[in-house]
Amino acid sequence: NAGVTQTPKFQVLKTGQSMTLQCAQDMNHEYMSWYRQDPGMGLRLIHYSVGAGITDQGEVPNGYNVSRSTTEDFPLRLLSAAPSQTSVYFCASTLRWRYGEQYFGPGTRLTVT
Amino acid sequence: TQLLEQSPQFLSIQEGENLTVYCNSSSVFSSLQWYRQEPGEGPVLLVTVVTGGEVKKLKRLTFQFGDARKDSSLHITAAQTGDTGLYLCAGGVGNQFYFGTGTSLTVIP
Repeated sequence: NAGVTQTPKFQVLKTGQSMTLQCAQDMNHEYMSWYRQDPGMGLRLIHYSVGAGITDQGEVPNGYNVSRSTTEDFPLRLLSAAPSQTSVYFCASTLRWRYGEQYFGPGTRLTVT
Repeated sequence: TQLLEQSPQFLSIQEGENLTVYCNSSSVFSSLQWYRQEPGEGPVLLVTVVTGGEVKKLKRLTFQFGDARKDSSLHITAAQTGDTGLYLCAGGVGNQFYFGTGTSLTVIP
């Protein structure tokens, strides 16, 4: 049981490039979410999904796309990277989304130059 | 605008001392969670509180949910160096979760 896995661990992009951050969980959780963490800002919700085929925007969705074709996978796509997207990105999943008991992946540290 | 405000932002104490961290909001939450995060890792859930006025104890950690379900506190008794980390509160509103800005705790031996 690997829990929540994220790849890559580190990534450097040039402005304008696109990429996909991968997230997978093997706990059969319905609810998955993506956050970004910036100094002094805590974690902010980017997008979330309450089940396969269902996604919705969080607090800071601009510049990011998601899809949820399976219960296990929830990739995050950066369409055209900007320096403001330099951050640490965390994926999380939860079985009981009403109670917010989220399990987090190890994070992806992204730098956009 | 931050939905959840945590205080203090930074805390440095000697091993063996007690401390309290606060998490406040003007919004009502269906539940509130506390997480601890270490450098280079994702947050790890410590506790979930659901009922207004609820108190939960986890060894030396005591968590309280306010009666109106708008605020919470985390009290650590006899802090140890292993308690060092970033403490985050989070609350659910509808389908979304909001995190506080965090309290960075350093316990000095």
